[in-house]
Amino acid sequence: AQKVTQAQTEISVVEKEDVTLDCVYETRDTTYYLFWYKQPPSGELVFLIRRNSFDEQNEISGRYSWNFQKSTSSFNFTITASQVVDSAVYFCALSQLTQGGSEKLVFGKGTKLTVNP
Amino acid sequence: GAGVSQTPSNKVTEKGKYVELRCDPISGHTALYWYRQSLGQGPEFLIYFQGTGAADDSGLPNDRFFAVRPEGSVSTLKIQRTERGDSAVYLCASSLSGDGYNEQFFGPGTRLTVL
Repeated sequence: AQKVTQAQTEISVVEKEDVTLDCVYETRDTTYYLFWYKQPPSGELVFLIRRNSFDEQNEISGRYSWNFQKSTSSFNFTITASQVVDSAVYFCALSQLTQGGSEKLVFGKGTKLTVNP
Repeated sequence: GAGVSQTPSNKVTEKGKYVELRCDPISGHTALYWYRQSLGQGPEFLIYFQGTGAADDSGLPNDRFFAVRPEGSVSTLKIQRTERGDSAVYLCASSLSGDGYNEQFFGPGTRLTVL
């Protein structure tokens, strides 16, 4: 069965520090997608990135970067020079094929990041 | 453009009552999903619609939960004989198609409290 583990429940950093959020997944599928979502205090999930299982290239978007390693089944997320506005709960998710042939998301429990000024 | 909207934003009800939660997906999105998020947890899948049909309802916890999408757009999640354990945030998401390539866009959720 598909499973996503985010071992860090809460992380607290001081502004401008770099921080890495860990994500480890389990799947028997050969083709799958990995996602990161941000959930700020307002509650709405915001899509950050999608990665397919055949693309292990790291990706950088501004202060955000993602490291995908199939060998360790990990998809870690790094925020460089963190800012107070980065404070949120971050979820890693894995796609799972549904009975109906589509993809549903299996989420980890999330990591609550607090960036202090 | 308009995102996914959900109404009401908050719903307080008494144990045993019936509730309906509504989701308006992004226009043109054929795939619609319902998830439930309990406090301190990640969202958990409930049901998926492709068009008007429920293609996968394997996440519905029991037969008190039911969802419809009669015209392939708006969806309603219905909960009968509510229990305190049903208290959670109910999230709706839509995507352009049902494959994993297209990201799911989430609504703000409905916070359901069963007293």
